[in-house]
Amino acid sequence: QSALTQPASVSGSPGQSITISCTGSSSDVGGYDYVSWYQQYPGEAPKLIIYDVSRRPSGVSHRFSGSKSGNTASLTISGLQAADEADYYCSSYTTSSTYVFGTGTKVTVL
Amino acid sequence: EVQLVESGGGLVQPGRSLRLSCAASGFTFDDYAMHWVRQAPGKGLEWVSSITWQSGSIAYADSVKGRFTISRDNAKNSLYLQMNSLRREDLGLYYCAKDRFYYGSGGFDSWGQGTLVAVSS
Repeated sequence: QSALTQPASVSGSPGQSITISCTGSSSDVGGYDYVSWYQQYPGEAPKLIIYDVSRRPSGVSHRFSGSKSGNTASLTISGLQAADEADYYCSSYTTSSTYVFGTGTKVTVL
Repeated sequence: EVQLVESGGGLVQPGRSLRLSCAASGFTFDDYAMHWVRQAPGKGLEWVSSITWQSGSIAYADSVKGRFTISRDNAKNSLYLQMNSLRREDLGLYYCAKDRFYYGSGGFDSWGQGTLVAVSS
């Protein structure tokens, strides 16, 4: 149950697009289309922003989008805003019927 | 409005036990899988355990298997985590989270505010 690999930090200027990668294996990310993404502000609980690789829950901005290729999933934030500055975590269901989170990525808006 | 309220955290000595509870409201509790997720101070999220809607399927992270037990009481709209043989590395904020589906794997769409567990002698 090793954590999925994410870059420690990603930054961008307001209005730009950034992409956060999430690399696993054929036992998790590559095995199912059950990849989720969470946004977490300091001192707050995580919030689901993407589920099933690319679906957005009601109320989540269209600026957030998800995709997957092989064992790597990606979260793209378009039109970057100051409010997007937060920690982001991916998660995947696994072939062992367990779950695994990514190492987390801190997004900084320059 | 979905509400999840955790309780039962505290300071405990290594080797001792704690029982966490999560009171759910605002949704039909027995229609959804539920999860425990923890976060050590300044660290990332770690999935701990999951239970499906009627407790038919239960799973644990390797780090807690054999020491922690997840359960639910659908009549009381409550989720529990019995933590035995606690270790210093079990320190963290423990979140209760609701799944989007009854069988799990749908994404954790609601979270509580967490209850803090500290393990120290």
